[in-house]
Amino acid sequence: KAGVTQTPRYLIKTRGQQVTLSCSPISGHRSVSWYQQTPGQGLQFLFEYFSETQRNKGNFPGRFSGRQFSNSRSEMNVSTLELGDSALYLCASSNPPKGTDTQYFGPGTRLTVL
Amino acid sequence: GDSVTQMEGPVTLSEEAFLTINCTYTATGYPSLFWYVQYPGEGLQLLLKATKADDKGSNKGFEATYRKETTSFHLEKGSVQVSDSAVYFCALRQNQAGTALIFGKGTTLSVSS
Repeated sequence: KAGVTQTPRYLIKTRGQQVTLSCSPISGHRSVSWYQQTPGQGLQFLFEYFSETQRNKGNFPGRFSGRQFSNSRSEMNVSTLELGDSALYLCASSNPPKGTDTQYFGPGTRLTVL
Repeated sequence: GDSVTQMEGPVTLSEEAFLTINCTYTATGYPSLFWYVQYPGEGLQLLLKATKADDKGSNKGFEATYRKETTSFHLEKGSVQVSDSAVYFCALRQNQAGTALIFGKGTTLSVSS
């Protein structure tokens, strides 16, 4: 079974621009979660989608948004980029409904904001 | 709110040494507990998990036991290898659909030959 894939792997943007990151979950997985990883703040939860609905959201400004498509693929968008948005963005997929389900992570998208 | 605290690194060991990485948590109820590993330039890989008190998770020689009485989930390995060099994250997740993983800050392990 193919793992979680994320595109692009690397991205360089300038302040004020917007960016869209893509995540394809493991086949059959219907839940997709997004996390931001930075050296200072560590791993922080952005949001989680299941069946095209956002079920949970972390403590991030409204510039961070996401969506999920009917094939479970997900995108996240960051508008009006700031230097502090430079991070590794990780996507994870799982197959609920159990809360004990394991989240499987993709390799991440490394975003650099100049 | 829920939180995870793990020992700060880096941890530097010689090959075949014994490894312990401490992890304690604060949470209501009975969350599931996880250890993830991150190799340079990669995403997170699940190393092991435990879903209820006294469960022992194990994988690739690594073990951790869910201790409710001490709210701990310490990671151990009897004999580390150079290939175990990575960053290790302890995490918890409440057993409700849609909840997030809450991570510790990570512990860097460096093993030399």
